[in-house]
Amino acid sequence: AQSVTQLDSHVSVSEGTPVLLRCNYSSSYSPSLFWYVQHPNKGLQLLLKYTSAATLVKGINGFEAEFKKSETSFHLTKPSAHMSDAAEYFCVVSERGRGSYIPTFGRGTSLIVHP
Amino acid sequence: ETGVTQTPRHLVMGMTNKKSLKCEQHLGHNAMYWYKQSAKKPLELMFVYNFKEQTENNSVPSRFSPECPNSSHLFLHLHTLQPEDSALYLCASSQERDDNYGYTFGSGTRLTVV
Repeated sequence: AQSVTQLDSHVSVSEGTPVLLRCNYSSSYSPSLFWYVQHPNKGLQLLLKYTSAATLVKGINGFEAEFKKSETSFHLTKPSAHMSDAAEYFCVVSERGRGSYIPTFGRGTSLIVHP
Repeated sequence: ETGVTQTPRHLVMGMTNKKSLKCEQHLGHNAMYWYKQSAKKPLELMFVYNFKEQTENNSVPSRFSPECPNSSHLFLHLHTLQPEDSALYLCASSQERDDNYGYTFGSGTRLTVV
């Protein structure tokens, strides 16, 4: 069985400072891992994905994530926060189920960016 | 636009009504998903279809009835809902081969049961 733990429900940063959103996962097999972002009243947008290629994954809008198997972590980072980054972020682990890949979502981390 | 379109965007229905949510994708994906997103709760997977066949039913009450007539369309038929069913219902699709390339989401239907 797979699971995802997002360690912080809220993260607050100042504009221009680094962002770190933490995610730990458990998975029976080699998982696929994703980060999604959701702006208010919008659907979810894919930021980046790890699917057994390079462990450091670059995504859109300057976000990166590093897959660390020994730590079962997939933390999301950005060197410098922008006001437009304020949103809800979801870490997702995906394994193949009976017929399809089944994504399991974390509870989400709300990123607050102060001017 | 993500390529996954959900209609309607907002829906208010009484507990005795029958309504349907629609999801349509023109991305050539073969798998489609329904999720429920409630306040202060994680996204809950409801149903998964792969090549029109239902492959997952996550213990969803029978008042929610999915239908997938083809790989591009997915419906969620609703009847005799409860106020706690009020939530954002999200549809997603993916192209599944040997690897998992990610999921494309629609903007959701905001459902309010009164």
